[in-house]
Amino acid sequence: AQSVTQLGSHVSVSEGALVLLRCNYSSSVPPYLFWYVQYPNQGLQLLLKYTTGATLVKGINGFEAEFKKSETSFHLTKPSAHMSDAAEYFCAVTSNYGGATNKLIFGTGTLLAVQP
Amino acid sequence: DGGITQSPKYLFRKEGQNVTLSCEQNLNHDAMYWYRQDPGQGLRLIYYSQIVNDFQKGDIAEGYSVSREKKESFPLTVTSAQKNPTAFYLCASSMNFREQFFGPGTRLTVL
Repeated sequence: AQSVTQLGSHVSVSEGALVLLRCNYSSSVPPYLFWYVQYPNQGLQLLLKYTTGATLVKGINGFEAEFKKSETSFHLTKPSAHMSDAAEYFCAVTSNYGGATNKLIFGTGTLLAVQP
Repeated sequence: DGGITQSPKYLFRKEGQNVTLSCEQNLNHDAMYWYRQDPGQGLRLIYYSQIVNDFQKGDIAEGYSVSREKKESFPLTVTSAQKNPTAFYLCASSMNFREQFFGPGTRLTVL
């Protein structure tokens, strides 16, 4: 069975500081991984995805994530936090990209606060 | 503009009432999903549908029902059997199980 663990339900950083949001997954087959962002009272927006190929993935708003198979991790980073980055972030995994049987499994989310 | 719409944005339900949440997409996606979101619990899958006239239960289907009569529409009914329906409900769609695109959500409150 697949699962996703997001370490830290709340993370606080200063504006301009590095953002690091942690995601570890469990999967018996090659995973496909996603990060989504949710602003208050809104739906989820896809930040980036890893399916195959290059393990360092760049997304929108200056975010990137690196797939590390040996560590079963897919941590999300941004070099310099902006006030507008304050939101909740969800990591998700599936093992059958484009297939007809598997679903996305979501982590419980990390709420990012950015201090001025 | 292509996208997913949900209505209403806010919905209030009295005890014992059934209510229906609307979800429409014009992305020509085959698959559609309903999630429930509660604080600190992430997203939990209620129902999903891969094709018209077919749908499957997710992890928390009890007290909910759906229909998929048209490709672009996937309404969710919260029945009186759902004892704790107050939550934020999100609809999503995808080309099968590729990345999902989400609607803006409906916040349901039981009075």
